[in-house]
Amino acid sequence: QKEVEQDPGPLSVPEGAIVSLNCTYSNSAFQYFMWYRQYSRKGPELLMYTYSSGNKEDGRFTAQVDKSSKYISLFIRDSQPSDSATYLCAMTPWGVTGGGNKLTFGTGTQLKVEL
Amino acid sequence: GAVVSQHPSRVICKSGTSVKIECRSLDFQATTMFWYRQFPKQSLMLMATSNEGSKATYEQGVEKDKFLINHASLTLSTLTVTSAHPEDSSFYICSARGGSGGAQSPQYFGPGTRLLVL
Repeated sequence: QKEVEQDPGPLSVPEGAIVSLNCTYSNSAFQYFMWYRQYSRKGPELLMYTYSSGNKEDGRFTAQVDKSSKYISLFIRDSQPSDSATYLCAMTPWGVTGGGNKLTFGTGTQLKVEL
Repeated sequence: GAVVSQHPSRVICKSGTSVKIECRSLDFQATTMFWYRQFPKQSLMLMATSNEGSKATYEQGVEKDKFLINHASLTLSTLTVTSAHPEDSSFYICSARGGSGGAQSPQYFGPGTRLLVL
């Protein structure tokens, strides 16, 4: 079993829809959670970074963390064709000095927002 | 803020040559930099972690003599693919961690370098 599970998709939605992307994890040591967006042939772009359970909102994006269920989500409101990309969840157990704070990634979900 | 650049963005070389890729943090000091490799339609695979002024720590299965990493300053890390072969062709991405959050900062990624070895 992988430490982080993410549905690879592809997920196709109409423009304007609310998109829900999810990851589950098995390692309870994970404390910091990130969502990255990666366009084809580009490096990942950080969208959201959160530590606490609960919701964090930034514009059209909301990150949700439920540590008790080991489940994280990214919601995209009013989705646009420009949101079409691969979305990677990532997590790490460390938030203090030391080590390398290596990230464990999900496999990524390919999203396509259609006109 | 938190911009990471990579150079070159694309390189084509002959088999047996060495290729150097630069990774720079443009607006923050990166105490730690990471090098990843990504194959088509796959997630990122961590190759090595480097801290400024220290030797890089390589992941299992990554040849340190093949992939030389130097992190000589807080804003620059380099990856040299030595004696490159066609199987080294891939998308190489660096990331940097640092900034105002220090060790609790997330990783910011560069745009990637596409290497093609003929």
